[in-house]
Amino acid sequence: DAMVIQNPRYQVTQFGKPVTLSCSQTLNHNVMYWYQQKSSQAPKLLFHYYDKDFNNEADTPDNFQSRRPNTSFCFLDIRSPGLGDAAMYLCATSRLGASGTYEQYFGPGTRLTVT
Amino acid sequence: AQSVTQLDSQVPVFEEAPVELRCNYSSSVSVYLFWYVQYPNQGLQLLLKYLSGSTLVESINGFEAEFNKSQTSFHLRKPSVHISDTAEYFCAVSETTDKLIFGTGTRLQVFP
Repeated sequence: DAMVIQNPRYQVTQFGKPVTLSCSQTLNHNVMYWYQQKSSQAPKLLFHYYDKDFNNEADTPDNFQSRRPNTSFCFLDIRSPGLGDAAMYLCATSRLGASGTYEQYFGPGTRLTVT
Repeated sequence: AQSVTQLDSQVPVFEEAPVELRCNYSSSVSVYLFWYVQYPNQGLQLLLKYLSGSTLVESINGFEAEFNKSQTSFHLRKPSVHISDTAEYFCAVSETTDKLIFGTGTRLQVFP
């Protein structure tokens, strides 16, 4: 089945130690997104790629970076995680559908713990 | 600017009772509307969507939502809930961009 895969599902890192979360997709979608979701809150868009074009949200901290080496893979790098970065990180993909909108498909998420 | 309001942060209900989760949006242009469901420690799953055509849309597991343009609403309903429906439900809106605007979510808690 075509899907969005996130590894690992659970990640523990130390305060200040760089960490990378990965996302891959078999849907061949040209748009990929990274969201941060804290407990009992809505997902917050950090940035997204439209093909190779990187689109950063205005309020995304510089501590968060992303790479998309090819259509299938996208990485989220947190350069110096703080305790406040503990959250669920969701990857999503989409493409322009016949309806004229982008329907997003989400991966299962990676829960990041910062100790 | 777009915004989505889910007035109810939590909705407790007994099994087999009907439920309605409310969603209102604001937008100056035509929109596309979505309901996503999130089970604990999982990602979001698309439950149903309104893109065009019939204003009443249904999911495979008995949920339905009706797009009401005059009231700018897209409420989610189910006539008889099951324990397994316990989850967080997010309403989302999109204009003709590749971004979604999410509501703050409604936690549906179904009790036996």
